[in-house]
Amino acid sequence: GAGVSQSPRYKVAKRGQDVALRCDPISGHVSLFWYQQALGQGPEFLTYFQNEAQLDKSGLPSDRFFAERPEGSVSTLKIQRTQQEDSAVYLCASSDRASGTDTQYFGPGTRLTVL
Amino acid sequence: GESVGLHLPTLSVQEGDNSIINCAYSNSASDYFIWYKQESGKGPQFIIDIRSNMDKRQGQRVTVLLNKTVKHLSLQIAATQPGDSAVYFCAEATGRRALTFGSGTRLQVQP
Repeated sequence: GAGVSQSPRYKVAKRGQDVALRCDPISGHVSLFWYQQALGQGPEFLTYFQNEAQLDKSGLPSDRFFAERPEGSVSTLKIQRTQQEDSAVYLCASSDRASGTDTQYFGPGTRLTVL
Repeated sequence: GESVGLHLPTLSVQEGDNSIINCAYSNSASDYFIWYKQESGKGPQFIIDIRSNMDKRQGQRVTVLLNKTVKHLSLQIAATQPGDSAVYFCAEATGRRALTFGSGTRLQVQP
């Protein structure tokens, strides 16, 4: 596809359930980022991958959040034992540092609602 | 889709006027700055970027100005159109990795 895709677009979970959010970056993009966006605010950084290596996970809010990118392309953000404060839009972005540009291109996001 | 920027500062302009959106950034070590546009229910869309060794960069109908002395960034949109209505975020990065976003400004274009 031409851009970053994310699935599902919407997810409703009961408190305590585990969820998995998927990101398909732009083909060939080396870098992949996850951000969390609360309603009415700007996105906040969660974690960063370069190929399959997770180089920065300083933004993950708790050990209930886990991200992986095992083959250096598709990434999954997993949230265990979801809490109401996890409700937000989760955005994925990719960039192609190999081309000399650092522009991050964002997907449409997954809106997570925890009841 | 969900609403973006329910309580953000709002800039209201007439169609055809020029718009200027301002942003103050916090990290003097930041070396890369970007403006994104976000419409309701969509992810941020790249508009224009600038590196810290420049003070001005122009794109199609948009210009970004960087003043490192006062840590200020601005986005100028020429001949604003209804399709420009959205929330605009500035973002900064150090080492060109994780982006730190500002709080956003809602642009409303009146026909």
